[in-house]
Amino acid sequence: AQTVTQSQPEMSVQEAETVTLSCTYDTSENNYYLFWYKQPPSRQMILVIRQEAYKQQNATENRFSVNFQKAAKSFSLKISDSQLGDTAMYFCAFIDSNYQLIWGAGTKLIIKP
Amino acid sequence: DSGVTQTPKHLITATGQRVTLRCSPRSGDLSVYWYQQSLDQGLQFLIQYYNGEERAKGNILERFSAQQFPDLHSELNLSSLELGDSALYFCASAAFLSSYNEQFFGPGTRLTVL
Repeated sequence: AQTVTQSQPEMSVQEAETVTLSCTYDTSENNYYLFWYKQPPSRQMILVIRQEAYKQQNATENRFSVNFQKAAKSFSLKISDSQLGDTAMYFCAFIDSNYQLIWGAGTKLIIKP
Repeated sequence: DSGVTQTPKHLITATGQRVTLRCSPRSGDLSVYWYQQSLDQGLQFLIQYYNGEERAKGNILERFSAQQFPDLHSELNLSSLELGDSALYFCASAAFLSSYNEQFFGPGTRLTVL
């Protein structure tokens, strides 16, 4: 079965610091896609960044970047220059061949002023 | 605003009852997904429709059913409700079936079963 594991239930950093959220997954597929979604207190699900497994280059979106290690099945999210608005639940997700998103349990990120 | 609308925002009902959640996808999106998020947990995929046809099923209970109508809006029907069905129900839409297509999420419907 395909699974996504986020081993950090909660993290807390000071504003402007850099934080890395970890995610590992398990799949036997070779081509797939990985996503990080953010869920702020409003509960809205917002796509942060996505990575195609066949691309070796790590995806970046402004202050957000990933460290994708395909062999290790690892997909961590780095947030640089963290801001108060980054406070949210962050979910790692993997899409399978049936186009279903398999979700991790989430990491609660708190940015302190 | 993702462009996906869900009604109602909140729903409070009693055990044994039946409710219908409604979702309107973004204009032009053909795929609709339904997810359940229990308190402080990740999302569980329930079911997917593409252009009116059921495309994939996840962990959807037999008491739950869904459909996508010709105008592409979708409804999720939950019957014989139990306390454990209390959750946030999300609808998401995507343009096509492609795995790379971003899924745009609605604001969710919070269901409370008393």
